[in-house]
Amino acid sequence: GQQLNQSPQSMFIQEGEDVSMNCTSSSIFNTWLWYKQDPGEGPVLLIALYKAGELTSNGRLTAQFGITRKDSFLNISASIPSDVGIYFCAGQTVQSNTGKLIFGQGTTLQVKP
Amino acid sequence: GAVVSQHPSWVICKSGTSVKIECRSLDFQATTMFWYRQFPKQSLMLMATSNEGSKATYEQGVEKDKFLINHASLTLSTLTVTSAHPEDSSFYICSASKGDQPQHFGDGTRLSIL
Repeated sequence: GQQLNQSPQSMFIQEGEDVSMNCTSSSIFNTWLWYKQDPGEGPVLLIALYKAGELTSNGRLTAQFGITRKDSFLNISASIPSDVGIYFCAGQTVQSNTGKLIFGQGTTLQVKP
Repeated sequence: GAVVSQHPSWVICKSGTSVKIECRSLDFQATTMFWYRQFPKQSLMLMATSNEGSKATYEQGVEKDKFLINHASLTLSTLTVTSAHPEDSSFYICSASKGDQPQHFGDGTRLSIL
């Protein structure tokens, strides 16, 4: 089936450092979304991307929709302790007409103060 | 905006009982609602897609008679886990979307079957 390969699986960084994570697939997507999930809660939407090449920022977060439409990355600048959590990429393929999303495996981020 | 409420947040019940979980979109009319299941340290697994007034579309391997989904209005969908057993214990999360807008998620329901 269709899969999203998200990497890295986990990161342990020092407060203030920049973070980068990405998702790749063999399928073409028309939408890329990035969510953050805190323990015991549902995912919260961070950034939505709809066009190939699109670069969008949300505060210290920046995400890009890859030109090939098969990948996306998320950068977090100047990390702070509250950035801790699990980050998921999710994509909607061109074949989907139901809004169904395919999720990456998640990147667990830990920030050392 | 885009608030999705899920209730209850935590439920513990005996094996054999049925459990109903509610998902409400509070500030928008959701044309589609989705139900996911998440095991510890894993990603979200889609169980079913639900459109208001029509039968839910279940993913392969998900028993529709076990996980009953009702989407009676544009703001409410329910998931009923029938005759629950310990292996049904999990974190269940709903999401809602309007048209082509992104899915917004509820805070999940932690289900523990004794």
